[in-house]
Amino acid sequence: DTAVSQTPKYLVTQMGNDKSIKCEQNLGHDTMYWYKQDSKKFLKIMFSYNNKELIINETVPNRFSPKSPDKAHLNLHINSLELGDSAVYFCASTYTGELFFGEGSRLTVL
Amino acid sequence: AQSVTQPDIHITVSEGASLELRCNYSYGATPYLFWYVQSPGQGLQLLLKYFSGDTLVQGIKGFEAEFKRSQSSFNLRKPSVHWSDAAEYFCAGRTGTASKLTFGTGTRLQVTL
Repeated sequence: DTAVSQTPKYLVTQMGNDKSIKCEQNLGHDTMYWYKQDSKKFLKIMFSYNNKELIINETVPNRFSPKSPDKAHLNLHINSLELGDSAVYFCASTYTGELFFGEGSRLTVL
Repeated sequence: AQSVTQPDIHITVSEGASLELRCNYSYGATPYLFWYVQSPGQGLQLLLKYFSGDTLVQGIKGFEAEFKRSQSSFNLRKPSVHWSDAAEYFCAGRTGTASKLTFGTGTRLQVTL
């Protein structure tokens, strides 16, 4: 049983397109995150939701829109994709302070 | 600003040798500190964590870390490295369970046979 699962694992798309990444956790955690890992492996937090409520919103372009339909799911929709959006996007969840990560979704924008 | 710093970008050790990966933190209060490992193409796996109490923390895969307040450090150690330990290692910190987890820039470990 995968604790934090993301789909799809790979996305390849053209500039200007819109794409979504889905995340589900079966750990019963209240808080979920999206992190972006760039080509230099640097991990930066993008968003955090607690019980479907947005609690952290870093300086992310508004082309990125997270949505949490319930506390087990956190999706990420990206509009008008740009070359600089190419990265690996990680979903994570937590209850006690340590984060559990999904395997990542590698987005390539051509 | 609150942060963690990993001064070593890349470290190479021989299999069987000891390992120490450095992490320094900058927080006003005692932070929660973590070490994660990322194998190529994989997600991040928690190795160990420090919240409070005993400053020497044991983790999985034979790793340990020591919290040193006087040096603002939380270095990761392993007495004998295996080739399968080759990966990217991230130190991370946060000030509380509700705050954001901030990552260091990572240290890439290469293991030679």
